[in-house]
Amino acid sequence: AQSVTQPDIHITVSEGASLELRCNYSYGATPYLFWYVQSPGQGLQLLLKYFSGDTLVQGIKGFEAEFKRSQSSFNLRKPSVHWSDAAEYFCAVGGAYGNKLVFGAGTILRVKS
Amino acid sequence: GAVVSQHPSRVICKSGTSVKIECRSLDFQATTMFWYRQFPKKSLMLMATSNEGSKATYEQGVEKDKFLINHASLTLSTLTVTSAHPEDSSFYICSARVATGKPGGSFTNNEQFFGPGTRLTVL
Repeated sequence: AQSVTQPDIHITVSEGASLELRCNYSYGATPYLFWYVQSPGQGLQLLLKYFSGDTLVQGIKGFEAEFKRSQSSFNLRKPSVHWSDAAEYFCAVGGAYGNKLVFGAGTILRVKS
Repeated sequence: GAVVSQHPSRVICKSGTSVKIECRSLDFQATTMFWYRQFPKKSLMLMATSNEGSKATYEQGVEKDKFLINHASLTLSTLTVTSAHPEDSSFYICSARVATGKPGGSFTNNEQFFGPGTRLTVL
């Protein structure tokens, strides 16, 4: 069965520090992987996606993620966090053709000054 | 491009009434739209997949008679919460998938674009 695990419910980092949010997935075929960000009371904004090719993908707002098939992981990183990055982050996995997305439980990021 | 809107953004209604939520793809055609429900401090739960011109496919445990979905055009899907009760209070989010690729309708990717959500409060 498809599943996504985000092991960290909450993460707190200092402004300017680096960030890594973990995501592990279980999927029976070639996965399509996504990271979304949600601010309180808002919808989801796509940060980046991986379909194929280069396993290190760049997204918006300075985020990047690396697909590691051997570890079934797709961790999100940012070298220097800004206070405006405080939000909830969701990892999702889906298939290539018409399949639904399965979301992880989310990680709430807090940024301290 | 790829903007999805939802209306209303917030609605408060009395118990027993029905509420309709609209989801529109503003600058692209979406043959498939999805409806999610998000409980406080929880992830998104897929309720149903809506395909234009056909009946929606509901996830297990979602009452199809309670949550009516209509996808009448390539840019509009509606979710109607019938006889709403306080336990239906939630944040409802729709998404739309861009149809690309072969003329037969297959997809080259599975990217979904999300609406801003609708906060439903049932008193």
